[in-house]
Amino acid sequence: EVQLVESGGGLVKPGGSLRLSCAASGFTFSSYSMNWVRQAPGKGLEWVSSISSGSSYIYYPDSMKGRFTISRDNAKNSLYLQMNSLRAEDTAVYYCARDWSAFDIWGQGTMVTVSS
Amino acid sequence: EIVLTQSPATLSLSPGERATLSCRASQSVSSYLAWYQQKPGQAPRLLINDASNRATGIPARFSGSGSGTDFTLTISSLEPEDFAVYYCQQRSTWPRTFGQGTKLEIK
Repeated sequence: EVQLVESGGGLVKPGGSLRLSCAASGFTFSSYSMNWVRQAPGKGLEWVSSISSGSSYIYYPDSMKGRFTISRDNAKNSLYLQMNSLRAEDTAVYYCARDWSAFDIWGQGTMVTVSS
Repeated sequence: EIVLTQSPATLSLSPGERATLSCRASQSVSSYLAWYQQKPGQAPRLLINDASNRATGIPARFSGSGSGTDFTLTISSLEPEDFAVYYCQQRSTWPRTFGQGTKLEIK
């Protein structure tokens, strides 16, 4: 079964850091670009970052450049998101998603809450 | 950044009726547009990629059309499980952007 499972979410204070992980199974992880997408409570979807299959190409929206770092380990079938200098407005469910002409497979999400 | 504007924000219909959802892009995205369905407490699910291609396992009552700046998702005859929020998303340029969503609710 094709599956993505996120982990690493939780409660963090403003200014803190958190590292999210996404474990992939059921497909050849190293052949696909991957993404992070977030959704604040009661709000819409917001793209966070993309990384190509071999990590050569990495993209962020301007609002997240410098604070968030996407990476992957193809040997471990894993995707990561390092989040630094977290703000209250980063509170959201964070999803990882496979990229195949669209975001065709999504994980169940991991909740990140930034609060003092 | 390409802005995607979805309309209407909320659509109230009854099972069996036809639903027409719109997504307009601030500049051309060619055919690089996808549609997703999201139900409460669940991850989004891909319905349509590249404007008109149904994703694997998506029922034939879902169809997508359009190119350039104007796109439509049509659900030919609503089933009870179709009431959800629908998002469009473009992959023409970076940053990837989503529309704000259309909530399809039971009338």
